[in-house]
Amino acid sequence: GAGVSQSPSNKVTEKGKDVELRCDPISGHTALYWYRQSLGQGLEFLIYFQGNSAPDKSGLPSDRFSAERTGGSVSTLTIQRTQQEDSAVYLCASSAGSGPANEQFFGPGTRLTVL
Amino acid sequence: AQKVTQAQTEISVVEKEDVTLDCVYETRDTTYYLFWYKQPPSGELVFLIRRNSFDEQNEISGRYSWNFQKSTSSFNFTITASQVVDSAVYFCALSEYSGAGSYQLTFGKGTKLSVIP
Repeated sequence: GAGVSQSPSNKVTEKGKDVELRCDPISGHTALYWYRQSLGQGLEFLIYFQGNSAPDKSGLPSDRFSAERTGGSVSTLTIQRTQQEDSAVYLCASSAGSGPANEQFFGPGTRLTVL
Repeated sequence: AQKVTQAQTEISVVEKEDVTLDCVYETRDTTYYLFWYKQPPSGELVFLIRRNSFDEQNEISGRYSWNFQKSTSSFNFTITASQVVDSAVYFCALSEYSGAGSYQLTFGKGTKLSVIP
């Protein structure tokens, strides 16, 4: 595809349920990032992948959050036992490299609402 | 401590006015990069500009210009002759080594710009 795609675009779930959010990066981009955007908190870094490995998970807020990437492409962010404070827009970004100068291209996000 | 500060939460201007969005950053690195992103109502973040810490030349791109001053740790963004299509949330971001294997983008909280026709 031409850009980063994410699915679903919207997800409404009940407290305590697990959710999976998907990200398809730009083809050939080796670096992939997940961010969370919530009211009052701005954009927060969650996790970074280089290829299939995640050298930096420092932003994951709790052990209910996990992510994986397969084939150096698609990534899935899983939130277990969702809580209301997990409600946010989850953004995925990819870049051609992982250095500081690399522009990150963002997807449209998944809006998660936990009731 | 907040690393990227965008003190203006919301700004409203009348179309054709000039507007400057402020960004102040904090870092210990000597090499770093600064970015501006635009988030229109559709929600997708759009890259506007990247500036490295060794290049203090101002940059102009059409109606957009950026003023980078290391002495004051600021990277301000000016829109000249604003248009309704400029209405969006604008984010300033700092790229620096996280210490955990990656260069992270640390974003400011954003400035919501409303351009009134």
